[in-house]
Amino acid sequence: GAGVSQSPSNKVTEKGKDVELRCDPISGHTALYWYRQSLGQGLEFLIYFQGNSAPDKSGLPSDRFSAERTGGSVSTLTIQRTQQEDSAVYLCASSLGQGALETQYFGPGTRLLVL
Amino acid sequence: QKEVEQDPGPLSVPEGAIVSLNCTYSNSAFQYFMWYRQYSRKGPELLMYTYSSGNKEDGRFTAQVDKSSKYISLFIRDSQPSDSATYLCAMSDMAGNMLTFGGGTRLMVKP
Repeated sequence: GAGVSQSPSNKVTEKGKDVELRCDPISGHTALYWYRQSLGQGLEFLIYFQGNSAPDKSGLPSDRFSAERTGGSVSTLTIQRTQQEDSAVYLCASSLGQGALETQYFGPGTRLLVL
Repeated sequence: QKEVEQDPGPLSVPEGAIVSLNCTYSNSAFQYFMWYRQYSRKGPELLMYTYSSGNKEDGRFTAQVDKSSKYISLFIRDSQPSDSATYLCAMSDMAGNMLTFGGGTRLMVKP
């Protein structure tokens, strides 16, 4: 079956512009996660959704970052007024349910470059 | 200091060698331990998942957890060139809503 898909696969933008990154989870998966992978920081957790609700937003790096999920499916991560330090691979994962026993399946990521 | 430390490598071994990959952690709340494999320009994929201290084996892969030392390992037997990838350890607390990753070890298996 189809895995987690993300779009675009690559995004180049200019400093100060806004970007939207999209994640389509595996069908039927209720939990969805966003991570960021950069050379200096490794893979870091940003936010997770259970259904359309995000109980913990403390992983978002700044108030320029926001995320939403609609219909319990597609999620969008928005970065406003992008900065060069936002350049990274943004990974989305989904799991059937919530909790430590649920395997998180990752998408291929969106590679963001802020010039 | 990061919560999870992992030697970045690269680790280069000949085909057929036994590979040992390790992570140390500082947060005693971590109860679930995972190893992910990530090929270049792909997302991580789950290899092994363990909860208790001890060993867990799956084919050529063995995961080992020592909670008393806060140390986890992944062993790969009879390594193959197709095993060349970055290996990430990850762990979570009982809630498991977020994974904390090590920085990853890049492994190269040479034919």
